[in-house]
Amino acid sequence: KAGVTQTPRYLIKTRGQQVTLSCSPISGHRSVSWYQQTPGQGLQFLFEYFSETQRNKGNFPGRFSGRQFSNSRSEMNVSTLELGDSALYLCASSSRQGENSPLHFGNGTRLTVT
Amino acid sequence: DAKTTQPNSMESNEEEPVHLPCNHSTISGTDYIHWYRQLPSQGPEYVIHGLTSNVNNRMASLAIAEDRKSSTLILHRATLRDAAVYYCIPTITPLQGAQKLVFGQGTRLTINP
Repeated sequence: KAGVTQTPRYLIKTRGQQVTLSCSPISGHRSVSWYQQTPGQGLQFLFEYFSETQRNKGNFPGRFSGRQFSNSRSEMNVSTLELGDSALYLCASSSRQGENSPLHFGNGTRLTVT
Repeated sequence: DAKTTQPNSMESNEEEPVHLPCNHSTISGTDYIHWYRQLPSQGPEYVIHGLTSNVNNRMASLAIAEDRKSSTLILHRATLRDAAVYYCIPTITPLQGAQKLVFGQGTRLTINP
């Protein structure tokens, strides 16, 4: 079974631009979550989507948004990029069925804002 | 969210057991204790989780204190591949609500050959 795929792996953008990151979950998984990882703040939850609906949202400004498509693939968008948005963005998928449905993470998209 | 306390770093030797402690004294009665690890240049990887009793799987064992205020992840025979940052995360299960993991700083485990 293929794992969680995130594209692109690396991205360089300039302040003020916007960016869209993509995530393909494990086949059959309907939940997709997004996390931001920085050296200073560690791993922080951004949001979770399940069956195209946002189920939970972390404490991030409205510049961070996401969506999920009917095939469970997800995208997250960051508008008006700031230098502090430089980070590793991780996507995770889950079947969300039963007690033992852990998160499966991709290897992330490393975003650099200059 | 329950707060966790883990050692910043630990070191062990290859093929020896490793005991990674976690204090979660503010855990709620419905929180399960999850462990994830993050190898260099990879996303986090699920290791194990449990509620009250000890749990075993092919990767590790989880020993949970009777009062649930602490737990220990046990790697029975460490290999170089086990060098990673280990995160202890009390959280509700997906059946109980939204699935969100609150990561602390974790323990950086170094394995010596």
